[in-house]
Amino acid sequence: DTGVSQDPRHKITKRGQNVTFRCDPISEHNRLYWYRQTLGQGPEFLTYFQNEAQLEKSRLLSDRFSAERPKGSFSTLEIQRTEQGDSAMYLCASSKLIQGVPSGNTIYFGEGSWLTVV
Amino acid sequence: AQKVTQAQTEISVVEKEDVTLDCVYETRDTTYYLFWYKQPPSGELVFLIRRNSFDEQNEISGRYSWNFQKSTSSFNFTITASQVVDSAVYFCALASNYKLTFGKGTLLTVNP
Repeated sequence: DTGVSQDPRHKITKRGQNVTFRCDPISEHNRLYWYRQTLGQGPEFLTYFQNEAQLEKSRLLSDRFSAERPKGSFSTLEIQRTEQGDSAMYLCASSKLIQGVPSGNTIYFGEGSWLTVV
Repeated sequence: AQKVTQAQTEISVVEKEDVTLDCVYETRDTTYYLFWYKQPPSGELVFLIRRNSFDEQNEISGRYSWNFQKSTSSFNFTITASQVVDSAVYFCALASNYKLTFGKGTLLTVNP
């Protein structure tokens, strides 16, 4: 399978613990995105990488959140000192930048990582 | 600011019925893209279609069809002869630059 893969798929953690999610994008996709989705809502943008550079962070991404994409391939999203409000599904997505098509690249999503903070 | 509205929160139909999911969007950009995604219970967002703002041709793919009307800022999605496997949450989304803005989704339940 050559789609976007995320790990772990489910995580239950106690409040105050740190958690890390990993995302492997589609091969050769130079853009990688993280979104968060809560029950009954559509996904909301968190952050975006082009290659290894993090180009934008949403205001939703508090100081407890950090995302990296060290070699321009896989990415990690770490949440420190988790709170119950962090419970959500964290979706990773990727796309391939095509010159002249600034916003039209198809964005493919992974299956998401469900986080429950108890 | 971008905004996508999916006024239908839930729709329930009987198998083989046709169903239309509505999507209305707001943007000040002249160049933008519209998407539909399907989210089954497993959680993955499955890409269905991408349409750019300059292409108002309607599109048909099997039982799926899309009606893009720029004059009313709508991008509606119709499933013909619905099947139980079509049951899912469907999201309409708007892309400007690289960022997707999603609607809240429509839960479609197709009953046998």
